[in-house]
Amino acid sequence: QVQLQQSGPGLVKPSQTLSLTCAISGDSVSRNSAAWNWIRQSPSRGLEWLGRTFYRSKWSHDYAESVKSRISVNPDTSKNQFSLQLNSVTPDDTGVYYCARAQDIVGDYMDVWGKGTAVTVSS
Amino acid sequence: EIVLTQSPGTLSLSPGERATLSCRTSQSVGSWLGWYQQKPGQAPRLLIYDASNRPTGTPARFSGSGSGTDFTLTISSLEPEDFAVYYCQQRSDWPRTFGQGTRVEIK
Repeated sequence: QVQLQQSGPGLVKPSQTLSLTCAISGDSVSRNSAAWNWIRQSPSRGLEWLGRTFYRSKWSHDYAESVKSRISVNPDTSKNQFSLQLNSVTPDDTGVYYCARAQDIVGDYMDVWGKGTAVTVSS
Repeated sequence: EIVLTQSPGTLSLSPGERATLSCRTSQSVGSWLGWYQQKPGQAPRLLIYDASNRPTGTPARFSGSGSGTDFTLTISSLEPEDFAVYYCQQRSDWPRTFGQGTRVEIK
């Protein structure tokens, strides 16, 4: 059974960097038919896909235009996990952040999710 | 980006009744639309992918239909555990986008 375990701080100061990690059990971050995503949810924005990393003979990334200048999603193969870094945060970045797996067998939709991390951006 | 509009915002029904939820996209997504269920305090759960396919574990009472810009999620007979919020999501283009959700509540 695949599980995603999220970790990271729940409070980040404005202008600082939000950093979250998603540890994978039961699957591999390097599997070439899966992609590893970050999604956030807030009352004002609803569900918002932020970015993903995936391996297809080399590592690749896709990011939402809304955060493209501030985001980095990176794999850590030694720990079988992936991370989110969001720079220069503002209170508008407050929300629940989820990591999720997408895989080809279910049409690249997100079929396994972490439990979510509530992040507040406030001084 | 592709905008997804769900209707109605809230559906008030009784257990055993049929639920019909709609998702309309701002441009054609072919059949590349999925549905998720979210309960309070939980992450979304994938129910339907590519308009009408059920992943392993999705009960048969959930069915999806549609193509192009108009899609429907039907719950044939509501069980107590089905009262939740439902979201649609497209995978036709980047960025992946979600609808704003339909809440199915107990009448």
